[in-house]
Amino acid sequence: DAGVIQSPRHEVTEMGQEVTLRCKPISGHDYLFWYRQTMMRGLELLIYFNNNVPIDDSGMPEDRFSAKMPNASFSTLKIQPSEPRDSAVYFCASSASGERAYEQYFGPGTRLTVT
Amino acid sequence: AQSVTQPDIHITVSEGASLELRCNYSYGATPYLFWYVQSPGQGLQLLLKYFSGDTLVQGIKGFEAEFKRSQSSFNLRKPSVHWSDAAEYFCAVVGDSGYALNFGKGTSLLVTP
Repeated sequence: DAGVIQSPRHEVTEMGQEVTLRCKPISGHDYLFWYRQTMMRGLELLIYFNNNVPIDDSGMPEDRFSAKMPNASFSTLKIQPSEPRDSAVYFCASSASGERAYEQYFGPGTRLTVT
Repeated sequence: AQSVTQPDIHITVSEGASLELRCNYSYGATPYLFWYVQSPGQGLQLLLKYFSGDTLVQGIKGFEAEFKRSQSSFNLRKPSVHWSDAAEYFCAVVGDSGYALNFGKGTSLLVTP
């Protein structure tokens, strides 16, 4: 399996622009997670899906952030408008069902820089 | 809320020496605990997990961890460190929302020749 695929790997954008991060989970996995990593706050959950349905979005910072999972093989995280404080590494992770749901496989991350 | 604390931000170990990375958890019942490793510019890789049963857990790459309820700890160990072990190590616990993980701040491991 190719593992979790994220694109782009790096994104540099100007404040106010829309940013879309993409994730392809491991085939057959039922759960998909979006995390953000910063020096100040460490790794924190933004949102996660089960069978394409959002289960917990309490970590989404504000209305500027939105996430979708239109099908089992694709998810997006959108920031509109972007701000410099959104600069971070964004990770997507996926996991199987049952107790295996706790074993999360991470993608390589997208490093976002907002200037 | 379930959380973990990693007291050491940086640790330096000589190659071939033993390693112990500390992790303390905050949770009333038996937590689901994990150790992940992150190499520079990479995503996180699961090293090992503890759900229940035997308190000494074996993982990949020669790592092990021991769950100690009396000390609320889940320390990661390796008997002999290799230069390729230099990375960031994260302890994690299942959070309140079900399957999502709450991570510690991480411990950066430097391996010297």
